[in-house]
Amino acid sequence: DAKTTQPPSMDCAEGRAANLPCNHSTISGNEYVYWYRQIHSQGPQYIIHGLKNNETNEMASLIITEDRKSSTLILPHATLRDTAVYYCIVRVLGYGGSQGNLIFGKGTKLSVKP
Amino acid sequence: DTAVSQTPKYLVTQMGNDKSIKCEQNLGHDTMYWYKQDSKKFLKIMFSYNNKELIINETVPNRFSPKSPDKAHLNLHINSLELGDSAVYFCASSQGLAGGQQFFGPGTRLTVL
Repeated sequence: DAKTTQPPSMDCAEGRAANLPCNHSTISGNEYVYWYRQIHSQGPQYIIHGLKNNETNEMASLIITEDRKSSTLILPHATLRDTAVYYCIVRVLGYGGSQGNLIFGKGTKLSVKP
Repeated sequence: DTAVSQTPKYLVTQMGNDKSIKCEQNLGHDTMYWYKQDSKKFLKIMFSYNNKELIINETVPNRFSPKSPDKAHLNLHINSLELGDSAVYFCASSQGLAGGQQFFGPGTRLTVL
C-alpha cells in the first residue's frame, strides 16, 4: 500500500502556481520523497525527488517540512499541459528488491483551467 | 528519439489466446520493469529485470512471464488470456535497481474479449 496521502483533486488557474500537498507521516529516515505525474493516456513521468532539503529543477520545486512528515510540489506557472494525475511516493533510495519499489497511490488529479 | 518504446500500442484479443508485448529502451539502462494499470487507474509493478535476472516478482499469475533477450529489451508474454487481464501495461527502465528515476513507455492497452 502507498505510504502517502494526497487530495483526490485540485484546480489551478493557468499561469498561477500549483501547490500539491502530500502527507507521509510514517516516512523513515532513509526514505526519499518522489513525485511523478501521468498525463492522460501517457506513461508516468518523473518530476523530482528529495530527502530533506528543498529541491528545484526545470519542472518544479519540492518543499519538504522539517519533520519530513509532509511535502509540497510546486509548479510555479501552471499551463494547460500540466493537467495530469500527480503521484507522491516515498521510497528507499539505493535499495534494491521489493523495498525499492515505486508504490503508486491514487494521486491528485490536477486540472489547470484557462 | 523515443527513450522507452512499446509495441503494439493497442492489442485486442480473445480469451484463451497467448500474446506478447515488446519493450525496448535506448537509454543504456540496466534495469527494466513492467507495470499494470487497471480500469480503476491503479498502477502496480509486476516485474523488474536487472542484468538479465528477475529481481522482483510481485503476486502476478504465472501466465505472465517476462523475457529479456538483452538488457535493452524486456518483453512480456501472457498465456491463456483472461478477461481480467484487460488493462494498460507500461514498461519502464532505470539505471540500477536502486535508482528511483524510472522512465516509462507510452503503454500498451490490452483488451481481452
